[in-house]
Amino acid sequence: LAKTTQPISMDSYEGQEVNITCSHNNIATNDYITWYQQFPSQGPRFIIQGYKTKVTNEVASLFIPADRKSSTLSLPRVSLSDTAVYYCLVGDKAAGNKLTFGGGTRVLVKP
Amino acid sequence: KAGVTQTPRYLIKTRGQQVTLSCSPISGHRSVSWYQQTPGQGLQFLFEYFSETQRNKGNFPGRFSGRQFSNSRSEMNVSTLELGDSALYLCASSSGTTPSYNEQFFGPGTRLTVL
Repeated sequence: LAKTTQPISMDSYEGQEVNITCSHNNIATNDYITWYQQFPSQGPRFIIQGYKTKVTNEVASLFIPADRKSSTLSLPRVSLSDTAVYYCLVGDKAAGNKLTFGGGTRVLVKP
Repeated sequence: KAGVTQTPRYLIKTRGQQVTLSCSPISGHRSVSWYQQTPGQGLQFLFEYFSETQRNKGNFPGRFSGRQFSNSRSEMNVSTLELGDSALYLCASSSGTTPSYNEQFFGPGTRLTVL
């Protein structure tokens, strides 16, 4: 089965930009790419969703190349409260278009 | 608007027992999905329901089952519990017809411990 992969962890400092890339080379043709944030002892929370090119909302940007085999979540000017685990979610063609989460990227924002 | 609620929040069972977990979606949401979260396997899709019909199922054994009621509330059941079933079980609801096209709202989860 194709896997949806993300870096395990990354550290950053307050005020910096954090970019997390998710590789999903077998993404289902019609599915969106969605990113979630999860704090300890809580369910994931929606950050942003896109199908192609670039999407921006009040908290993040999502960059998707034309082949859609990867996506990059960009968090501008992070703060300590952005310390969390970030997951990408896609439909995986190899898994019958079932929703597949990446392994999660633990982001630690330091003062 | 109330969020997704899951009951119970914590559960301890022994091997061989069965368990039923409950999820109440956000009012008006008809799509409900279930996920299992463990440190080793991460977040894994269990199944998805829409209007009382299971539309998709993840790669879990038949011991894992679920259903959705006419009021969109959903339950999942795990029979003959194994130690490896210890996990956080998350329920999510969405307003659209397809979870992968719409924002999913997650509940706080049910922490199941199998002894």
